[in-house]
Amino acid sequence: AIQLTQSPSSLSASIGDKVTVTCRASQDIRKFLAWYQQRPGKAPQLLIYDASTLRAGVPSRFSGSGSGTDFTLTISGLQPEDFATYYCQQFNNYPVTFGQGTRLEIK
Amino acid sequence: QVHLVESGGSVVQPGTSLRLSCAASGFTFSTSAMHWVRQAPGKGLEWVAVISKDGNNKYYTDSVKGRFTISRDNSRNTLYLEMNSLRSEDTAVYYCARVPNAAVGLNWLDPWGQGTLVTVSS
Repeated sequence: AIQLTQSPSSLSASIGDKVTVTCRASQDIRKFLAWYQQRPGKAPQLLIYDASTLRAGVPSRFSGSGSGTDFTLTISGLQPEDFATYYCQQFNNYPVTFGQGTRLEIK
Repeated sequence: QVHLVESGGSVVQPGTSLRLSCAASGFTFSTSAMHWVRQAPGKGLEWVAVISKDGNNKYYTDSVKGRFTISRDNSRNTLYLEMNSLRSEDTAVYYCARVPNAAVGLNWLDPWGQGTLVTVSS
């Protein structure tokens, strides 16, 4: 199975900051990566798919980049509602796998 | 508006069985592959299974193969997860999720249901 390693596992930041989360795949997954946001007690919500395509309705402060094995999620200008846990997911082949998550906390 | 509602979660003893359901609305269910994903308390997301639009193709994570069965009833707009020989490590919130845009099952997931909690404990 393809392993996805996210870094950092947790991150403290302030309102208005720019933050970057990295997701590294154990093998080439081309562009087949998605990012999700999960707020406490809620279901995950899709932010980005195909590594860099922003889901309709997601604020433009979210962006994704990368291909192959290295991917990043960037949030430019943190808002209070952005403090949550973020997961990457690969869909290059089965089994589908997720990163372990990055918890974004308010500093 | 696409809506997924899971049900069937409960507290059960190890070795027993349980069936989860996911009721879909707001889209043509028969054109969407569907997934189950679970999340143990305080842990990350773990993919469980996928079923194709017509129900003919299914894939599972290794830890549930031979114990869990994913199925669907397109006439009832409902997805199922039959879970047998339950273990304590199956304790989790179980989410159903849709593959959008009539795409193949190996894809991103959007949206997800609110989840249903399964607790396996003696």
